[in-house]
Amino acid sequence: QVQLLQSGPEVKKPGASIKVSCKTSGYNFSNYDITWVRQAPRQGLEWMGWISVDTGNRHYVQKLQGRITMTADTSTSTVYMELRSLRSDDTAIYYCTRNQRGHEWFDSWGQGVLVTVSS
Amino acid sequence: EVVLTQSPGSLSLSPGEGATLSCRASQTVRNGYLAWYQQRPGQAPRLLIYDASSRATGIPDKFSGSGSGADFTLTISRLEPEDCAVYYCQQYGTSPITFGQGTRLEIK
Repeated sequence: QVQLLQSGPEVKKPGASIKVSCKTSGYNFSNYDITWVRQAPRQGLEWMGWISVDTGNRHYVQKLQGRITMTADTSTSTVYMELRSLRSDDTAIYYCTRNQRGHEWFDSWGQGVLVTVSS
Repeated sequence: EVVLTQSPGSLSLSPGEGATLSCRASQTVRNGYLAWYQQRPGQAPRLLIYDASSRATGIPDKFSGSGSGADFTLTISRLEPEDCAVYYCQQYGTSPITFGQGTRLEIK
């Protein structure tokens, strides 16, 4: 079955960086894009951007541009999301999701990673 | 960006009743590119509906979506305790992708 397995929780100080992984299985990795969505505590969902895992094309939400990088390792069917210069308002659960290219609804989700930014 | 406003913010209903959740966009959602998700406590969201009215794989027919333009509805019939969740709408017709703020459904 389709699985998106994310790395474990992180606690970081302001100004640090995180790199969250999303290891996929159960489907053809190249046929789907990976999108990242985050959810601040007791808040709604925020779209962060996507990566096309075969072409490497990426698109990020404007507010994170310059701080975020998504990469894909086709040899391990794993996608990474790096966020730099962390701030307290980056504290959130970070989800990876998949979607078919051109169909940007998300039919499978990772379990989520809690990232806490605190001094 | 397209702002999605969901109403009501919360509702409390009894088992067996039906629920109607609304999602209104600040502008026309291109091609009706609207999805609905269910998020139970402590879980990741689950896709229910895409393209406004198509049920995702494995979703029972008690969940139905409708609407067009800027007004969309999720209808849940025959409520059960496991329907207790927050429901989100999402538009993918215009970048950036945006989500509504959610409707919290409580089952009495």
